[in-house]
Amino acid sequence: DTGVSQDPRHKITKRGQNVTFRCDPISEHNRLYWYRQTLGQGPEFLTYFQNEAQLEKSRLLSDRFSAERPKGSFSTLEIQRTEQGDSAMYLCASSLKQTQETQYFGPGTRLLVL
Amino acid sequence: SQKIEQNSEALNIQEGKTATLTCNYTNYSPAYLQWYRQDPGRGPVFLLLIRENEKEKRKERLKVTFDTTLKQSLFHITASQPADSATYLCALSDTGRRALTFGSGTRLQVQP
Repeated sequence: DTGVSQDPRHKITKRGQNVTFRCDPISEHNRLYWYRQTLGQGPEFLTYFQNEAQLEKSRLLSDRFSAERPKGSFSTLEIQRTEQGDSAMYLCASSLKQTQETQYFGPGTRLLVL
Repeated sequence: SQKIEQNSEALNIQEGKTATLTCNYTNYSPAYLQWYRQDPGRGPVFLLLIRENEKEKRKERLKVTFDTTLKQSLFHITASQPADSATYLCALSDTGRRALTFGSGTRLQVQP
C-alpha cells in the first residue's frame, strides 16, 4: 500500500453515462498525476497538477474528460458521455516536489463501459 | 517518433537464476529512467531510478544499468524467486516534462 487511495475500485457503466473517480494522494505530496492503462500496455499520461493548478494535459484528454484538484489535496477525474473505448484502468499517482521523479501509484479504478 | 520498447514476450526463468530485462528508447533525451513493478490488477510500484550520469545502480538483488549512447537500460534481478513474478515497466521523462512515459512492460515468470 503506497498511501495513495482511489475510489471506486471498479465501475461499470452504460455508454453515454457520466462517471467520476476520486484520488486521495499521500498527504504531503503536492504533485498529482492521472494515467490510463489498457490491457497489455503501460500507463499513458493524462494530466498533472501541482497543488491546485493543472499544469499539463495530454492530447489523449479529450473534451469529455475533466480533472480538478480544488484545494490541492484530493482530485477528481470526470468522464462525460462515456464511450466503450474509455474502458481502461485509471491510475492516480502523487509525488513530492523535492523528490519529483518518483511517483507513487494508487490501486487504480477499473472502468468498464457497456 | 518517440518510442520506448520492452520485450513484449514473457520471460520465463528458473528460480535462482538472474533475470535480465531490456528497455530501449528512441528520440528521447531523458535526465533519468525508472523501473516499476506491476502485479495484476494493481498500480505500478517504484523500484529504482537511474540518472543519465550514472552507469549502474543497485538495490538489494536489483541492478539497473543506463547507457545513453546505446539508448538502453538493462534491469537485472539476481537469485530470482517465484515472488519476483510480475510485469516490469520502464519509464522515463522527456526533458522538461513531469509526466512519465512508460514502456509496455515485460512479464517475468520465475518457475520454482
